[in-house]
Amino acid sequence: DAGVIQSPRHEVTEMGQEVTLRCKPISGHNSLFWYRQTMMRGLELLIYFNNNVPIDDSGMPEDRFSAKMPNASFSTLKIQPSEPRDSAVYFCASSPGQGVGASFFGQGTRLTVV
Amino acid sequence: DQQVKQNSPSLSVQEGRISILNCDYTNSMFDYFLWYKKYPAEGPTFLISISSIKDKNEDGRFTVFLNKSAKHLSLHIVPSQPGDSAVYFCAALSRDSNYQLIWGAGTKLIIKP
Repeated sequence: DAGVIQSPRHEVTEMGQEVTLRCKPISGHNSLFWYRQTMMRGLELLIYFNNNVPIDDSGMPEDRFSAKMPNASFSTLKIQPSEPRDSAVYFCASSPGQGVGASFFGQGTRLTVV
Repeated sequence: DQQVKQNSPSLSVQEGRISILNCDYTNSMFDYFLWYKKYPAEGPTFLISISSIKDKNEDGRFTVFLNKSAKHLSLHIVPSQPGDSAVYFCAALSRDSNYQLIWGAGTKLIIKP
């Protein structure tokens, strides 16, 4: 398996534009996580899916952020409209079951909003 | 409220010596603790974990020690190698938090040649 695959690796967009980040989890993994990493706050959990169902989205910063998991092999994180303070590295991770220790991370998407 | 704390932002160790990375936590309900390693421009990589019912777990050069009474865990790397230079994150999870990982802020380890 190629691991967790995220796209794009880098995204530069203008303030106000819609941004969509994509994630393909490891095949067979039941849990999927979206994280945001910034210098100020470190790694923050945004949302957690189990069996394609959002379990906890309390980390989603505001209504401009939305995440979907239409099937077991694909998830998106959308920001609309984007703002400069959204600039960060966004990581997707998957785990083989609910509550199973290690999450496997993608390489991240570096988002810059200008 | 930081439930998982890594109080040292950075640590510098001579190659070949022991590196000790520390982590403190406040939630006594944590069931499992994990250590991750992260290189720049890459996602975190799982290193080693320990269940709350154990006090030590060893995997090659990496050993994690858990002191539940002190709510403290540490990662020992022996001997330290240049490739160990990275940021190390401590994380914890519990049934209370739907098994979501609660992360420390990370410690940057620098191995000097």
